[in-house]
Amino acid sequence: KAGVTQTPRYLIKTRGQQVTLSCSPISGHRSVSWYQQTPGQGLQFLFEYFSETQRNKGNFPGRFSGRQFSNSRSEMNVSTLELGDSALYLCASSQSDYGYTFGSGTRLTVV
Amino acid sequence: AQTVTQSQPEMSVQEAETVTLSCTYDTSESDYYLFWYKQPPSRQMILVIRQEAYKQQNATENRFSVNFQKAAKSFSLKISDSQLGDAAMYFCAYSLGSQGNLIFGKGTKLSVKP
Repeated sequence: KAGVTQTPRYLIKTRGQQVTLSCSPISGHRSVSWYQQTPGQGLQFLFEYFSETQRNKGNFPGRFSGRQFSNSRSEMNVSTLELGDSALYLCASSQSDYGYTFGSGTRLTVV
Repeated sequence: AQTVTQSQPEMSVQEAETVTLSCTYDTSESDYYLFWYKQPPSRQMILVIRQEAYKQQNATENRFSVNFQKAAKSFSLKISDSQLGDAAMYFCAYSLGSQGNLIFGKGTKLSVKP
């Protein structure tokens, strides 16, 4: 069974640009959540989607948004990038009560 | 608000020895889930062990076990017979529901000496 796939693995963007990250969950998993990991703030929850609906949202500005498609694949978008948005973005999927399975992340660098 | 604290930024253990990583949390809820995740340099977060708060029995997965003290709000991870492949960042995490969002501690970097 394929794991959680995140693309791209690495990304370099310029301040002010926007970026879209993609996450393909494990087949059959309907819940997808996103986390931002930085050395200073650690791992912080961004949002969670279940059956195409945002079910939970963390404390991030409106520049961070996401969506989920009917096949459970999810995208997150960051508009008007700032230097502080440089981070590892992790996606995780879940179906059962056992918790989340994470992908390898997308390393975003804003210059 | 729920918080998770890992007081040991770095730990070191000799190969084949036992090491315990500490984690405390704060919550007013009675039913919740606790997790230990491992993050090697490959970046992928790997679930090590999971504990449901309503279960008294401590969870065990092969060489990994936890000491769950609900009243003290403590959830430590014991790694027995440490192996070189155990070297990684270890994160303690809390979730209100088994599929709710995870609240992570800052992590403990574990080094294993041959």
